Amino acid sequence: DAGVIQSPRHEVTEMGQEVTLRCKPISGHNSLFWYRQTMMRGLELLIYFNNNVPIDDSGMPEDRFSAKMPNASFSTLKIQPSEPRDSAVYFCADSYGTGRDYTGELFFGEGSRLTVL
Amino acid sequence: KQEVTQIPAALSVPEGENLVLNCSFTDSAIYNLQWFRQDPGKGLTSLLLIQSSQREQTSGRLNASLDKSSGRSTLYIAASQPGDSATYLCAVWVDYKLSFGAGTTVTVRA
Repeated sequence: DAGVIQSPRHEVTEMGQEVTLRCKPISGHNSLFWYRQTMMRGLELLIYFNNNVPIDDSGMPEDRFSAKMPNASFSTLKIQPSEPRDSAVYFCADSYGTGRDYTGELFFGEGSRLTVL
Repeated sequence: KQEVTQIPAALSVPEGENLVLNCSFTDSAIYNLQWFRQDPGKGLTSLLLIQSSQREQTSGRLNASLDKSSGRSTLYIAASQPGDSATYLCAVWVDYKLSFGAGTTVTVRA
């Protein structure tokens, strides 16, 4: 398997523009996570999906952020409108199992580095 | 809220020396603990996963221990090599949420 695949790897945009980040999880992995990494705050969980359903979006910073998972093989994270403080590396990660059977091993993509000017 | 702390923040050692990386967490009600490696500009690579019922896990030169009662985990890397230079992060699972430490940046000098 190719692992978790994210695109684009790098995105430079201007303030106010819409940004869409994409993720293809590992086949058969039913839990998907979006994280944001910055020097100041480290890794922050933005949203968690299980079996394509959003379970916890309490980490989404504000209404400008939205995430979808229309099927088991694709997820998007959208920022509209973007602001300079959104500049960060956004990671998609996945895992398998739920609840007490959770193996807990998380697999990360290479990340999408976003720069908002 | 689970707090995960990694000390030291940075470490520089000569090649061949054993590495000891520390991780502490505040809430002992964890499912699992996972150690990751991150190279500059890259994603996180899983190194070891320790289930809450386990005390340690080993993979090659890596050994990780877990003491839930004291809220501590230690990652040992034997006979360090320059290729081990990276940032090492520990993370603890509570339910479906993974709380990360800030990481220890390791430099192994040739």
